[in-house]
Amino acid sequence: AQSVTQLGSHVSVSEGALVLLRCNYSSSVPPYLFWYVQYPNQGLQLLLKYTSAATLVKGINGFEAEFKKSETSFHLTKPSAHMSDAAEYFCAVETGANNLFFGTGTRLTVIP
Amino acid sequence: NAGVTQTPKFQVLKTGQSMTLQCAQDMNHNSMYWYRQDPGMGLRLIYYSASEGTTDKGEVPNGYNVSRLNKREFSLRLESAAPSQTSVYFCAVRESLFHFGNGTRLTVT
Repeated sequence: AQSVTQLGSHVSVSEGALVLLRCNYSSSVPPYLFWYVQYPNQGLQLLLKYTSAATLVKGINGFEAEFKKSETSFHLTKPSAHMSDAAEYFCAVETGANNLFFGTGTRLTVIP
Repeated sequence: NAGVTQTPKFQVLKTGQSMTLQCAQDMNHNSMYWYRQDPGMGLRLIYYSASEGTTDKGEVPNGYNVSRLNKREFSLRLESAAPSQTSVYFCAVRESLFHFGNGTRLTVT
């Protein structure tokens, strides 16, 4: 069975600081992994996806994530936080039934 | 999001009332999904439909019914709403990627 765990329901960083949002997965097969962002009162927007090509995946808005099989991790990073990055971020894994299974989300606050 | 339209955007129901949430796509995709989003719980799959005329239960189907009468539309029905169904509901369609609607915010009092 596939699942994802997001460590930290809330993360606060200063503007200009590194953003690190953690995601660990469990999967019995090579997974497809995703990060989505949700701004207040909006739907989900795809940030990036891992589909077994390059292990370092670059997404929109300067975000990237690295797939580490040995650590079963897919952490999301951005070198320098902007105020506009404040949102909720969801890690997700695609199951064998072509469904997305989501983590519980991490709310990112950016402090000026 | 372009291509996936959910109606209504907001709804308030009293306990025991019924309603149908509508989802329509113009992307010609086979697979459609209904999720609910609750604080601290992420998105959980209610039902999905792999193609017209087929539906399957997801993680939290109790209290809901769905209908996929054609390729374009996938509706979610609450026959007797309960306060526990207060949530934000998202429809999604999938081809190579998932595309989400903007959600329906439902409050059951």
